[in-house]
Amino acid sequence: QMQLVQSGPEVKKPGTSVKVSCKASGFTFTSSAMQWVRQARGQRLEWIGWIVVGSGNTNYAQKFQERVTITRDMSTSTAYMELSSLRSEDTAVYYCARGRRGAYDYWGQGTLVTVSS
Amino acid sequence: SYVLSQPPSVSVAPGQTARLTCGGFNIRGKSVHWYQQKPGQAPVLVVFDDSDRPSEIPERFSGSHSGNTATLTITWVEAGDEADYYCQVWDSRSDLAVFGGGTKLSVL
Repeated sequence: QMQLVQSGPEVKKPGTSVKVSCKASGFTFTSSAMQWVRQARGQRLEWIGWIVVGSGNTNYAQKFQERVTITRDMSTSTAYMELSSLRSEDTAVYYCARGRRGAYDYWGQGTLVTVSS
Repeated sequence: SYVLSQPPSVSVAPGQTARLTCGGFNIRGKSVHWYQQKPGQAPVLVVFDDSDRPSEIPERFSGSHSGNTATLTITWVEAGDEADYYCQVWDSRSDLAVFGGGTKLSVL
């Protein structure tokens, strides 16, 4: 069955970086697009960016433009989201999801990233 | 940037019908998708492309459009429907996704 499995929780210090992985199975990863969305505790879903897996093309929300990099490894069917210059406001659950310019039909289980000194 | 507006909360009694709205300029020209999120869980797609349902979603969930508002309708509401519901569109001008602020559905 289709599945997205994300890496485990992270605790990071302000100013450092975090890289979250999302391993896909059960569908053709190379034909897909992967989105990244985050959610701070009690807050709304916030779109971060996406990658078209086959071409590697990316687009990011303006808010994250200078700090985020989304990549993929087609040999392992894994997408990555790296966020740099972390601050306390980046504490959130980060989700990957499958989808292009439409709906996101499969989501990872989420990765809690805690930024604390 | 494009903005989607959702009421923060809606309350409904079991067995009744819940109507959750999502407003946006010219939303009728966009495909609207709806997600259900229960505490501590990832979002689940319940309606896509305005009114289609994934096969595993009950027929009680339906979507519609009218003017500048999209609506998710849940008939015969059950206690298990209590969750946050988010609408989402793709802003083709900026080539990015936009989520509404979410509506908390409470089943009285």
